[in-house]
Formats: sequence, structure tokens, C-alpha cells
Amino acid sequence: GAGVSQSPRYKVAKRGQDVALRCDPISGHVSLFWYQQALGQGPEFLTYFQNEAQLDKSGLPSDRFFAERPEGSVSTLKIQRTQQEDSAVYLCASRFRGTGYSTDTQYFGPGTRLTVL
Amino acid sequence: QKEVEQNSGPLSVPEGAIASLNCTYSDRGSQSFFWYRQYSGKSPELIMFIYSNGDKEDGRFTAQLNKASQYVSLLIRDSQPSDSATYLCAVPKEGAAGNKLTFGGGTRVLVKP
Repeated sequence: GAGVSQSPRYKVAKRGQDVALRCDPISGHVSLFWYQQALGQGPEFLTYFQNEAQLDKSGLPSDRFFAERPEGSVSTLKIQRTQQEDSAVYLCASRFRGTGYSTDTQYFGPGTRLTVL
Repeated sequence: QKEVEQNSGPLSVPEGAIASLNCTYSDRGSQSFFWYRQYSGKSPELIMFIYSNGDKEDGRFTAQLNKASQYVSLLIRDSQPSDSATYLCAVPKEGAAGNKLTFGGGTRVLVKP
């Protein structure tokens, strides 16, 4: 595909439900990032994959958040027992190369807007 | 002190004028700097990046970097109503796995016809 895609685009969950958010990065991109963006704020880092390896998960807010990229392409961000404070836009970004290429551009997907009632 | 700071705005400019946006950062080891534009309800899209001190021009956009003072700015010349958006300053974390981006809170720009 031409760009990063994410699904679903919108998700409404009742408090306590589990949700799964999908990211399809640009084909061939080594790096994949998840960010969380609250209303009126800049995106905040959640986790980073280099191929299938999750090298940094320091931004995940709690152990209810889990991410995987088992074959080094598609990634899923799972949130268990959702809470109202999880309501945000979840952005996925991919980059061609891995660690050490900080001047490479991160390309963002359209995001998934999660609303927890 | 936040790692990357921006004035939240809104910055209101008349059509055709120059919009000037500023960003300061705290990590002296930072090497490169990105400006993203984000329309309401959309995802961030890259405007330009800069890694050398001085000015870098791309069309109506000019990025300016001063590493000694730890600030980076973005100028938008001949502002158009279509430039109305939130502009995000983003700084890769050197030495971190993946060089994750740290974003400022964004500056909202309103260009009035």
C-alpha cells in the first residue's frame, strides 16, 4: 500500500471491555511506533518495534496495554479492561530503517479514535 | 520542564502574512528536528526537517535551527487559509531504541482571509 493504514478508524468501547487496534505499516519498513494523542496534546510515545522485536515499551501506561508485531509487519495494540482515561487517538507510524537513523521520516497512519464510555 | 515546548496559540495571522512558530528543547544531545502539520481530525504529516544550524527553505516554509540556544523555528511565508492547522515540533531521542519522537504540544495557526 501507499501509506500506513490503521483499523478500525473509530472504536467505542464500554468500560471494562478489551479492544484491539491494528496497524499496517508501509511495506518494507523496519521500524514501527505506537503513539497516543489526547485531545489538544501532541502525540506521546507508547512502544517501538524493530522488525518483530519490541525494543522499547517504556511509554505503555499500564500492564493493561500490550503490543505485538509477530512477523515484523502488521502490529496490534491491545488494551485490556479499558478505562475512560484510555480515550484518545492511537497513532501508528513506520520508518524505513531502524535505530540510529533519526533523520529518517516517520510516516503516520490516520489513527484510531478510541472512546471509552 | 517539558522536553519539547511550544506556544499552544492560537496564532492568528492575516492571509499573505508570515507566521512564525517557535519550539524549544531541553536535550542538548538532540541532533535533528521535525515539523509536522496536523489538520483537525487528521494524522501528522511531515513539513520538513532540519539538522544543521541555520536556515533551511522549502517552498513557503523555512526552518531555523540554533543548537546553542536550543530552539528551532518554522516560518510560513505568504500564509494561506489552507495553512490553518496545528504545527507539531518533534525531536528524535538520540541513543534511544528506534530514536522515538518527543513532540511538543503543538501550535494552532489560524490564517484569516
